[in-house]
Amino acid sequence: DAGITQSPRHKVTETGTPVTLRCHQTENHRYMYWYRQDPGHGLRLIHYSYGVKDTDKGEVSDGYSVSRSKTEDFLLTLESATSSQTSVYFCAIRAPGQGSTEAFFGQGTRLTVV
Amino acid sequence: AQRVTQPEKLLSVFKGAPVELKCNYSYSGSPELFWYVQYSRQRLQLLLRHISRESIKGFTADLNKGETSFHLKKPFAQEEDSAMYYCALEGGSEKLVFGKGTKLTVNP
Repeated sequence: DAGITQSPRHKVTETGTPVTLRCHQTENHRYMYWYRQDPGHGLRLIHYSYGVKDTDKGEVSDGYSVSRSKTEDFLLTLESATSSQTSVYFCAIRAPGQGSTEAFFGQGTRLTVV
Repeated sequence: AQRVTQPEKLLSVFKGAPVELKCNYSYSGSPELFWYVQYSRQRLQLLLRHISRESIKGFTADLNKGETSFHLKKPFAQEEDSAMYYCALEGGSEKLVFGKGTKLTVNP
């Protein structure tokens, strides 16, 4: 497996609390992504990063923020968790290249907001 | 805007039968297209990409720019092909978006 780890793997939190998920890579890849996976919705892009301190919004960015202060870490923060944010969250990394470079995925974080 | 449509949520075939998973896209430029697969309890992984024109595990996919499609095909499905399949598109900004996925079940 590519050197990408997500933490925590499972989390239960209460509505209204802030939550931070971490994605860590050892591959020095430039691009990093956060997705959420929900039945019937597939994978939806939340935010992505194309370099340190360079991030952009995805399809479902409301209620989420990200930070990337160093190449290896990409943090996803739920500012005030809601039940609709209960999901499985996946991080992915990708190297730049002549297009069509492969994305490598983490094992996912299962978040439950009660 | 980039958009990927996979019209079938579920697809069920018998072993040895042909299978086709549909993918249509919307993008004004020249897209990079991929198929990713997620087997039970495994990470999402790349199956194939259009630029390579390769065949992986017997699967092929052809980019049809006229129909804006990138359907995944296999002539003879195997039970081990049962998985969740996602079509993905990357536009020029390195933004990688996925469709809703198709769950393929190959019955014995």
